[in-house]
This record gives sequence, C-alpha cells and structure tokens, in this order.
Amino acid sequence: GNSVTQMEGPVTLSEEAFLTINCTYTATGYPSLFWYVQYPGEGLQLLLKATKADDKGSNKGFEATYRKETTSFHLEKGSVQVSDSAVYFCALSAYGDSWGKLQFGAGTQVVVTP
Amino acid sequence: GAVVSQHPSRVICKSGTSVKIECRSLDFQATTMFWYRQFPKQSLMLMATSNEGSKATYEQGVEKDKFLINHASLTLSTLTVTSAHPEDSSFYICSARDPDRVGYGYTFGSGTRLTVV
Repeated sequence: GNSVTQMEGPVTLSEEAFLTINCTYTATGYPSLFWYVQYPGEGLQLLLKATKADDKGSNKGFEATYRKETTSFHLEKGSVQVSDSAVYFCALSAYGDSWGKLQFGAGTQVVVTP
Repeated sequence: GAVVSQHPSRVICKSGTSVKIECRSLDFQATTMFWYRQFPKQSLMLMATSNEGSKATYEQGVEKDKFLINHASLTLSTLTVTSAHPEDSSFYICSARDPDRVGYGYTFGSGTRLTVV
C-alpha cells in the first residue's frame, strides 16, 4: 500500500537557520505530493504541492521537489523565522486529481527560537 | 475563502456515551468531506469519505456502526462516536473542498481532541 515516511521531530533551530525536513514515499503509479502545515491551535493548511516528477512546489519561502528516482519530496527553507514554528505534514494522494484522499506522514514539529 | 469549521475543539466524555463532532464548510458547498483520525505521534489516518445525500464510504478496519457519519446537507457533515471507549481517545479532523477552488486542494478543520474517561 501507499505510505509516507518523514523525519521525526521535534526539530529545533535558531532564526535564520536552514531547514530541511525529509520525506520519502511508497506508492503505486504517479501520486501527487503535498506539504501541509499546522500552526498551534489551527487546522492543516496546504503549504505547497507537486503533481508530477521534477515539479517544484514553492510557497512562503519553502520549496520541495518531486524526485521520482529517490521517491522523495524533501521540504526546505533557506532562512526560517519564529513564525515558522509549526507541525509539518508530508502527504500523498494517489486518487487522480481529487487531492482529497490523503496519506499522511507522522508530522514533524519545528521549533524556531529567536 | 474555503473555511472549514470543526466543533467542538475539545471534548471529554465518559465511557459508554456518544459524542458528535461537526464539520461545516462556511463559505462553500461541499459534496464530499473526509474524516481523519490521528493517534499521538502518528500519522493522520483516513477513516471515511462523507458523501452528501448518501452513505459514507469507510476505510478498511473502521467500524461503521461505531463511527456514524451523516452528511445531510452540502455544508455539514457529522461524525458520531457511539458507545465511546478510552481507546477511541484521539484527534479527529475533517477536510472539505470548495468546488470552485479545485486547484487549492482540500481545506482542513482545526480538529477535535476527544478524551474518553
């Protein structure tokens, strides 16, 4: 079956540091890949997505590239801010373009200190 | 746009009682909503697909008689945990999509933390 594996947290880093959260997946066919973010007390928000190999999703300074050869979709940001403290979820959808039926990773908590 | 409201955010109930969780799309109509469950330090697991005007579709291993889903209108889906037990304690979250904003994916509610004592 389909699965998503992402690095465990919490990840603690200082403001302006470089952030990487690793995500690998197992899926049949050609899934769409997503990163969601959950700020404290809020629902999940779509951060970025990629729907085919070599696509790069980007938003708010975050980037992730769909790497089919390594089945990965690592999230990166060059200079984090305190406001980036949140839980980040990697997810895939293998159901066409509905993007609704999602398989999630366990989530990675990121804590950015001033 | 595309706001999903989930209520309550936290609930504590006694074993054997039932708890209803509501998921509302506030500014759009949703024919399909999804319900997920998350155990501590684990992934969100899809429980069921809620379809407006018809029966929900449950994922393998999810007891449909225990987790009753009703999607009676285009803006409201409810999940009722019946005869709750401590092992039902979990974080439940719903998602829905604005059909006019397909490219933006699904919007999630803020989740419900259920504790059964």
